[in-house]
Amino acid sequence: GAGVSQSPRYKVAKRGQDVALRCDPISGHVSLFWYQQALGQGPEFLTYFQNEAQLDKSGLPSDRFFAERPEGSVSTLKIQRTQQEDSAVYLCASSKKETDTQYFGPGTRLTVL
Amino acid sequence: LAKTTQPISMDSYEGQEVNITCSHNNIATNDYITWYQQFPSQGPRFIIQGYKTKVTNEVASLFIPADRKSSTLSLPRVSLSDTAVYYCLVGGGWGFQKLVFGTGTRLLVSP
Repeated sequence: GAGVSQSPRYKVAKRGQDVALRCDPISGHVSLFWYQQALGQGPEFLTYFQNEAQLDKSGLPSDRFFAERPEGSVSTLKIQRTQQEDSAVYLCASSKKETDTQYFGPGTRLTVL
Repeated sequence: LAKTTQPISMDSYEGQEVNITCSHNNIATNDYITWYQQFPSQGPRFIIQGYKTKVTNEVASLFIPADRKSSTLSLPRVSLSDTAVYYCLVGGGWGFQKLVFGTGTRLLVSP
């Protein structure tokens, strides 16, 4: 079946712009995760959803970052008033249930100028 | 969450066996050990997971000693396409898995 898909694959934003990054998890996967990966580093956890409930958002760097999953499937990560330090690859992962193997999408590379 | 330590980089040649060792001295009783592979411009890909002793699948083997303070990922007969970053993670087993990645091991396979 289809894997996790993310769009857009690349996004260039001017500092101060708002961006929205989309994640389509594997069909039927209950759990959805967002990670941020800086150049040369491993991914870092941002937030976690179980169905439509956001159960952990401890990794979100600031209140400019907001994630939602209103119907328990597609998720959107929104970054308001982007800053240069937000430049990174944003990865989405999903799993059947919370303790199962996480399957990652290809990521969205965000560049803030 | 247990911290992991693994070599920053490794070099190998096609056809050789590669062993990447990860130390995790503070592993908890209910923690699993999981390895992911990541190619440039792609998300991490699950390779193998284990709790104790040895686990083998079609891609790799994972060796875990009795004290579980370390683990070794073994890639048999590597090819050029195995050039990637390999991450060792510990955690999970209960509750959701907030995966904690280190900087990983960059494996370079040469002809």
